[in-house]
Amino acid sequence: DVVLTQSPATLSVTPGERISLSCRASESVDTYLHWYQQKPNESPRLLIKYASQSISGIPSRFSGSGSGTDFTLSINGVELEDLSIYYCQQGNSLPDTFGAGTKLELK
Amino acid sequence: QVQLKESGPGLVQPSETLSLTCTVSGFSLTSYSVSWVRQPSGKGPEWMGRMWYDGDTAYNSALKSRLSISRDTSKNQVFLKMNSLQTDDTGTYYCTRDPYYGGVMDAWGQGASVTVSS
Repeated sequence: DVVLTQSPATLSVTPGERISLSCRASESVDTYLHWYQQKPNESPRLLIKYASQSISGIPSRFSGSGSGTDFTLSINGVELEDLSIYYCQQGNSLPDTFGAGTKLELK
Repeated sequence: QVQLKESGPGLVQPSETLSLTCTVSGFSLTSYSVSWVRQPSGKGPEWMGRMWYDGDTAYNSALKSRLSISRDTSKNQVFLKMNSLQTDDTGTYYCTRDPYYGGVMDAWGQGASVTVSS
């Protein structure tokens, strides 16, 4: 199974700053790498598909990059509503797998 | 409007079988695939298996011996059955819509909380 390692596990942020979250795959997943946001007591929500493709209705401050084994989710100007857990997920090979998540907290 | 809703018992006895139903609306099960994903409290999600739009199925090998996914397209429902439940099967169970090849899950149900306990 493909192992996705997310770092950092927790990131303390100040509103307005630009941040980057990392997701590293144990083997190449091409660009079949997707990002989700999960707020407390809510279901995950798709943020970015295929590493860098935007999703309708998601604020433009969210962007993704990478291919192969190294991926980044960036938030350009963090807002308080972005304080959540972010998961990456690969669909290149079965079983689909998720990372353990990065939690954004207020500094 | 795309919607998915999970339903089933909230409490299951150890060694018993879990049965969940995902009722969908706003799309056709013959055009979109549906996955089951579970999440223990405080942990990351785990993909369990998928009902492909063409009726084929795929399972996580870690669960394959215990898991069965089926559907009734006339009722817009996808079913999950998992036997021999243990306490570490406790968590929230989601169904998702998978519109494309490559594992994208673009809509999620609200989740069904399942506790395995005697």
